[in-house]
Parts: sequence; C-alpha cells; structure tokens
Amino acid sequence: KAGVTQTPRYLIKTRGQQVTLSCSPISGHRSVSWYQQTPGQGLQFLFEYFSETQRNKGNFPGRFSGRQFSNSRSEMNVSTLELGDSALYLCASSLDLTGELFFGEGSRLTVL
Amino acid sequence: QKEVEQDPGPLSVPEGAIVSLNCTYSNSAFQYFMWYRQYSRKGPELLMYTYSSGNKEDGRFTAQVDKSSKYISLFIRDSQPSDSATYLCAMDRTSGSRLTFGEGTQLTVNP
Repeated sequence: KAGVTQTPRYLIKTRGQQVTLSCSPISGHRSVSWYQQTPGQGLQFLFEYFSETQRNKGNFPGRFSGRQFSNSRSEMNVSTLELGDSALYLCASSLDLTGELFFGEGSRLTVL
Repeated sequence: QKEVEQDPGPLSVPEGAIVSLNCTYSNSAFQYFMWYRQYSRKGPELLMYTYSSGNKEDGRFTAQVDKSSKYISLFIRDSQPSDSATYLCAMDRTSGSRLTFGEGTQLTVNP
C-alpha cells in the first residue's frame, strides 16, 4: 500500500512569507504527527492530530500551526518565515495514538 | 542540556564489523525506546522498539536499554554497506507519537 506522501518535496521561500505543507497518511491511519529536522537540533516534535483534533503540541512558536481534515490528511502552516525555519519537515502517520510511526520523505524548506 | 544525547559521528567501519551506537538521556520518565534508520533523502524508518529495560534481538540488530544508567544501545553485527545510514534513537514517556529524538549518528560501512 502507498506510504505517507508529503508535498511539495522541495520549496524555497523568502523571509516574511508563509508556507503550507501537505501530508497524506497511509490509508486507514488516523493519527498524523509533524516533526522538524535540522542539522543542529535533530528531529523535534511539532504537533500531533487525531480525528481532526490537535492532541499534542511541541515547543514551537504560534507561527507554526496545523490542521487535520476528515479524511485524515493534514496540513501545516508556517507564517512570517524566518531564516531559522529552514529545515526538513517530516510527517508521520500511525494507525492510532499508540501505533508505530511511519514517516514520509519530508518537505525540504529553504528560507532565503 | 538536551534530554537525549547522541554522538553524531560520523562513524566509519569496514564491512563485517560490529557497530555500537549509543544514546544517553536525562528524563527518567521515558519508558519506550526506539531506534530509527534514515537513509539520505528519506524519512526515518523504525528498526527496533523496546519497552523498559532489557535486550531485544532482531536478526543482526540488538537493542539494549539500561534504565538505571539512562543509557540505550544498538548493536549491528556483520555490518553491510547497505547499513550505511543515519541512526536515530528516540524515546517517549508513553506509547505515543510525541517522540524525543537524539541528533542521529551517521554510519558508513565500507566494502
């Protein structure tokens, strides 16, 4: 079956702009989590959604937001982009809140 | 100080070597411990999953957890060039999705 699909795979933005990233989980998976991966900090948890509700949120500023739709697809948005937001953004889905995480290949964001 | 510390390497070994990868952590509430493998330009994939202390073996891979020392290890026996990747330790207080990751160790196995 198809894995976790993230779009776009690569994008370049300038400071101050906003960006929306999309994630389609594995069919049947209801939980979607987002992580930011940078060389210095590694993977850091952003937020988790289950049945369209945010269940957990990491220590990121309010510029980072997300949502989940009724079909379990999820989007995350970053507003007023800063240079430090350049990172690989990874989406992971799981069957439920306690299942194994399956990661997508990520969306690589570069902020100039 | 980070909750999870992992030597980023890089680590380079000859084919067939035994590889030892390690993480230390400070949060005694962590109960679930995982190792992920991440190939270049790919997302992480789960290799090993253990709960609490002890050993778990899966083929050439062995995961060890020592909660008293707050130390976890991953051993790879008979390493292969296809094992060349970044290995990430991860842990959680509950069996959930809010994982705390180490920075990852970049491993290269030379033929």
